[in-house]
Amino acid sequence: QVTLKESGPGILQPSQTLSLTCSFSGFSLSTYGMCVGWIRQSSGKGLEWLANIWWNDDKYYNPSLKNRLTISKDTSNNQAFLKITNMDTADTATYYCARRWAYYGYAFWGQGASVTVSS
Amino acid sequence: NTVMTQSPTSMFISVGDRVTMNCKASQNVGTNVDWYQQKTGQSPKLLIYGASNRYTGVPDRFTGSGSGTDFTLTISNMQAEDLAVYYCLQYNYNPNTFGAGTKLELK
Repeated sequence: QVTLKESGPGILQPSQTLSLTCSFSGFSLSTYGMCVGWIRQSSGKGLEWLANIWWNDDKYYNPSLKNRLTISKDTSNNQAFLKITNMDTADTATYYCARRWAYYGYAFWGQGASVTVSS
Repeated sequence: NTVMTQSPTSMFISVGDRVTMNCKASQNVGTNVDWYQQKTGQSPKLLIYGASNRYTGVPDRFTGSGSGTDFTLTISNMQAEDLAVYYCLQYNYNPNTFGAGTKLELK
């Protein structure tokens, strides 16, 4: 059974760095073709893809966030991470991690972590 | 970036209707398109991958089609439980990009 769960600080101040953890079970990020992605959604808005990390440690980022993103993984502990620097109120959103295996789509999603940026 | 333009933005439908929504890519993305359903307060759910492949457990009233730049999601015999926002996603290029969504509402 595949599950993913995001965790984060909940609230942080402008200019701080957001650190998110995706803890998962039921699969390994060392399996060929496996990928974990991060997607966010502002309240009442659409979905925005942020970054992917693949089984072979290939990483891809959304350039609209201007080099603020860092994605990483800890295969041994079944976790993936996302850091976003210089957070702004516009980054207030629900952040999801999701699993993709090759071209099979993001078939498994976490419940989302709500992040509020406020002074 | 590849822009995915979804239409219509919203639709008012009745149970039993046949519903068709579209997604147009700003460049050729092959068949590298997924469709997701998101109900209020829930995480998105994968319906279709590779433009036309129904994911495990998805009812066969959901059908995806298209290639290149034009993609369609069809719901035959709309059910009340299908009321949701539907998003397309292209993964042919990085960054992956979502459409803005099509919201289905009851007439």
